[in-house]
Amino acid sequence: DGGITQSPKYLFRKEGQNVTLSCEQNLNHDAMYWYRQDPGQGLRLIYYSQIVNDFQKGDIAEGYSVSREKKESFPLTVTSAQKNPTAFYLCASSIAVLSYNEQFFGPGTRLTVL
Amino acid sequence: GDSVTQMEGPVTLSEEAFLTINCTYTATGYPSLFWYVQYPGEGLQLLLKATKADDKGSNKGFEATYRKETTSFHLEKGSVQVSDSAVYFCAQGGSEKLVFGKGMKLTVNP
Repeated sequence: DGGITQSPKYLFRKEGQNVTLSCEQNLNHDAMYWYRQDPGQGLRLIYYSQIVNDFQKGDIAEGYSVSREKKESFPLTVTSAQKNPTAFYLCASSIAVLSYNEQFFGPGTRLTVL
Repeated sequence: GDSVTQMEGPVTLSEEAFLTINCTYTATGYPSLFWYVQYPGEGLQLLLKATKADDKGSNKGFEATYRKETTSFHLEKGSVQVSDSAVYFCAQGGSEKLVFGKGMKLTVNP
């Protein structure tokens, strides 16, 4: 079955630590995205990537970093510079970064900072 | 910039009630429009989409019509079920990304 996997489903981290969230897709999609979801705020775009070795900042990139070394993978690192990292993180992919393309979402990772 | 405004709820309905969730957008031109649904603890799934004016998207008994004259894409279902309990997001296609509304939580009671 084609789809997007995110791991782990739940993640706990101590304040001041960096943590990396995994996102893998086997849909052969060029574009991948990371969103943050907070109660009452909908989805906010953190970073997106149109193609391997290329990525752009979204609306709330501060305190986050990404890499795109392989087409299938787009890991997100939440750094200690992110002031309020506790949230639900969603990864998505689409055939290409075009406005009419459907995005396919993974199941999400819930990050809690202790 | 582009934005999407939708009913935020939460909304509670009884089974078999009629559902409308309003959504309006502000993009110029003819953006593609989407409704996504998020079941508890899961990611988002595409419910339906429309890519041009007067298009009607439909799926699982849900419908939405792309209204250019009112810049709207309201979601409707004639008879909701308990299994429709979820959060519903309206979204529009921007130049390189989707712009989402804040989502509306729907609870359907038996």
